[in-house]
Formats: sequence, structure tokens, C-alpha cells
Amino acid sequence: DVKVTQSSRYLVKRTGEKVFLECVQDMDHENMFWYRQDPGLGLRLIYFSYDVKMKEKGDIPEGYSVSREKKERFSLILESASTNQTSMYLCASSLFGLAGNGEQFFGPGTRLTVL
Amino acid sequence: GENVEQHPSTLSVQEGDSAVIKCTYSDSASNYFPWYKQELGKRPQLIIDIRSNVGEKKDQRIAVTLNKTAKHFSLHITETQPEDSAVYFCAASGGGNKLTFGTGTQLKVEL
Repeated sequence: DVKVTQSSRYLVKRTGEKVFLECVQDMDHENMFWYRQDPGLGLRLIYFSYDVKMKEKGDIPEGYSVSREKKERFSLILESASTNQTSMYLCASSLFGLAGNGEQFFGPGTRLTVL
Repeated sequence: GENVEQHPSTLSVQEGDSAVIKCTYSDSASNYFPWYKQELGKRPQLIIDIRSNVGEKKDQRIAVTLNKTAKHFSLHITETQPEDSAVYFCAASGGGNKLTFGTGTQLKVEL
């Protein structure tokens, strides 16, 4: 049973703070993803990684960076949090790398509020 | 890049009726089309997917159809039940498992 966990369910930060969101998967998946979910906008891809130390920009990477030092862990970093980054952040992982498509398994989400 | 449009944004049906959610995509190279269900307060979960070499796929009360020429695909739920109430997302991918999601449909099944 795939398990994707995120470091916090709820987080409150102040404008300008550096924020780290962490995601861990336990199934040796190659791909990992960070999305943000906002009402009426669906899930929008921020960054993804298909291998350790590899990263690719998604559709809305501005204001974010990522780190993947180990296969099981994918971190999302907000260098200087702003109020428009208040959102639900979802991490996901999938078995396949660049070679194919398959089911993405999501974490429970982190609801980030930036004051 | 890929653009996925999803309609309707909300859908209310009576228990036992059918529900249909429609999506269109823009990139003709897309070849993988999953559907995710997100219950209130829960994480999205895959319910069915279809690949571009198949026109239709069925799994019990759920079916998905794909029209590559028109670049649209649809989710059909028959004999709806209260537990089908959720937000449904369609998505499209051209490879590398990079998904572009639609904006979601809130389905409400009324007793």
C-alpha cells in the first residue's frame, strides 16, 4: 500500500518567511510532484522531479523552488512567503519516470496560510 | 502547453440517475487521460484512466470515453449513489506523467 506523507497538515507563516514543505513516499517511486489546489482552479503543477537531484518546472513555478536529495523525499520551498501563496499544497508520487504514465498517489495535503 | 477544460463545474443528480462530466484538451500529443475523485477533506484518488489507443473503458458503474479527433473525453457514472458525491478532476498527459488537470466538477447526489 503506497503511502505519501506530508510534514504538516496546517501551517501558518508570516509574509517574508522562508517556508519548507516536506513530502515522503515509501514505495520507491521515481516521480514526485508538488501541486497547489485552489477553489475553482483545480490542481496546478508547481514542480516535479523524475529522479534524485532532477527537477522540472511545472505550470506555476514562480516564487517556489524544490529539492530532491533522496529518492523518497521531495521538498517544496517558498523563499519569501507572500499572501498569494496561501493555499492547499498537495504532494504526489508515481512509479514511472519520464518513460510513461501511471497512477499518481497523493499525500493528505498541507493547508498553508500566509499572514 | 496543455490546456484542459472541464464542464460542468457543479452537477446535482438524483440518486439512481446517471452523471456525465466532460473535458476537452488542447495538445494532440496527449495520450493518457485519468480521472481523480476527491471526497471532502480527503486526498484525490484515481478512479479510472484511459490511454489514447482505446476509445472506451468501463469499471462497474464508471466508464470513460475518449474521442481523439475531437480532443474530448468524458466520465460517465451510472446508478449514482450518495457516496459518489465528491469533486471529480479530469487530467491529460503527453508523457513523463506530467498531468494537466481540469478545474473540477462538484457532484452532489441527492436522496
